[in-house]
Amino acid sequence: NAGVTQTPKFRVLKTGQSMTLLCAQDMNHEYMYWYRQDPGMGLRLIHYSVGEGTTAKGEVPDGYNVSRLKKQNFLLGLESAAPSQTSVYFCASSYGGLNTEAFFGQGTRLTVV
Amino acid sequence: AQKVTQAQTEISVVEKEDVTLDCVYETRDTTYYLFWYKQPPSGELVFLIRRNSFDEQNEISGRYSWNFQKSTSSFNFTITASQVVDSAVYFCALSDYRDDKIIFGKGTRLHILP
Repeated sequence: NAGVTQTPKFRVLKTGQSMTLLCAQDMNHEYMYWYRQDPGMGLRLIHYSVGEGTTAKGEVPDGYNVSRLKKQNFLLGLESAAPSQTSVYFCASSYGGLNTEAFFGQGTRLTVV
Repeated sequence: AQKVTQAQTEISVVEKEDVTLDCVYETRDTTYYLFWYKQPPSGELVFLIRRNSFDEQNEISGRYSWNFQKSTSSFNFTITASQVVDSAVYFCALSDYRDDKIIFGKGTRLHILP
């Protein structure tokens, strides 16, 4: 059982480049989330989805876009990467949003130079 | 709006000591859920516990215990007889009915010294 899988695990981008982070879950979860983790800031919610075809903004959505075309996948896009987006990105999924625990991927370490 | 505060940025204790990690939350809702997650040095996030706002009973799981007090909006986590393997970053999190998403605190880095 793979759980939540993030691709890629590491990436270095140049300022202005674009990229997409892929999150895939095989638990048939409705809710999916993208967080970023920065030193001293904890986990901050970027965007989330409450079901296939839906997306919503979290705490720090600027500079990111997301899509949930299939229930099992949640894509996070950076259209024009900036050094401030250097971070570790975590994807998570949960059966429900309110009262169920989230299962996390292994994280993607992104460096923007 | 939701908010989770973990005032302790970093804690160091000697192995076998007890340690308590504090978590204070804010929410406008009467229905909400609180969580604790562990992030060991390997980086993954591991779910530890979930507690709903209607259940103020304390919970014990082995060396871990949680104290939920609505009167002080706190959900503290105690490790008894700490071990080196408990060294990790611990996150407290909240989700409420109004926002229906999980918000995390900034985490507490716990060092257990041998």
